[in-house]
Amino acid sequence: DIQMTQSPSSLSASVGDRVTITCRASQSISSYLNWYQQKPGKAPKLLIYAASSLQSGVPSRFSGSGSGTDFTLTISSLQPEDFATYYCQQSYSTPHTFGQGTRLEIK
Amino acid sequence: EVQLVQSGAEVKKPGESLKISCKGSGYSFTSYWIGWVRQMPGKGLEWMGIIYPGDSDTRYSPSFQGQVTISADKSISTAYLQWSSLKASDTAMYYCARRIMITFGDHAFDIWGQGTMVTVSS
Repeated sequence: DIQMTQSPSSLSASVGDRVTITCRASQSISSYLNWYQQKPGKAPKLLIYAASSLQSGVPSRFSGSGSGTDFTLTISSLQPEDFATYYCQQSYSTPHTFGQGTRLEIK
Repeated sequence: EVQLVQSGAEVKKPGESLKISCKGSGYSFTSYWIGWVRQMPGKGLEWMGIIYPGDSDTRYSPSFQGQVTISADKSISTAYLQWSSLKASDTAMYYCARRIMITFGDHAFDIWGQGTMVTVSS
């Protein structure tokens, strides 16, 4: 299985901050990388697919980049509704493993 | 509206069997893979497996192979996840999700069910 490692595991930030979350794959996965947001008690929501493509309806303050083994999710200006847990997922080979998650908390 | 609606919460005893469901609507159910994802209490997401309802082709994560069975009934647009003998460690929220193909070989889960909480306790 391909291992996905996110950093940091948790992060405190303030409204308006720029935040970056990193995801590293244990082997090259080209651009087969997705990002999801999960709020407490809710199902995950697809934010970014193919490393950098914004899912329909997702605000443009979210962006993704990277290829190969190293990827980032950036939120350009945090909004109150962005405080949640974020997961990366590789879709290069099954099982399509997820990272362990990054919990974004209000400072 | 495209949606996946899952069956309700379950409370079971160890050793019991269980089958939970995921009903798709608003799209061609037989044209998209459906995946199952486990989330244990306070933990992250785990990819369990996927099924193509059109022909019931199924792929499992090695971690879940032999532990669960994924199936589908395309006549009623419903996918299933079942256990023959539950363990306390199966206590978790289980999500189904529709898998879209972005490009050949590249996929993502774009539509998620609301989740089914399974509690296994004596």
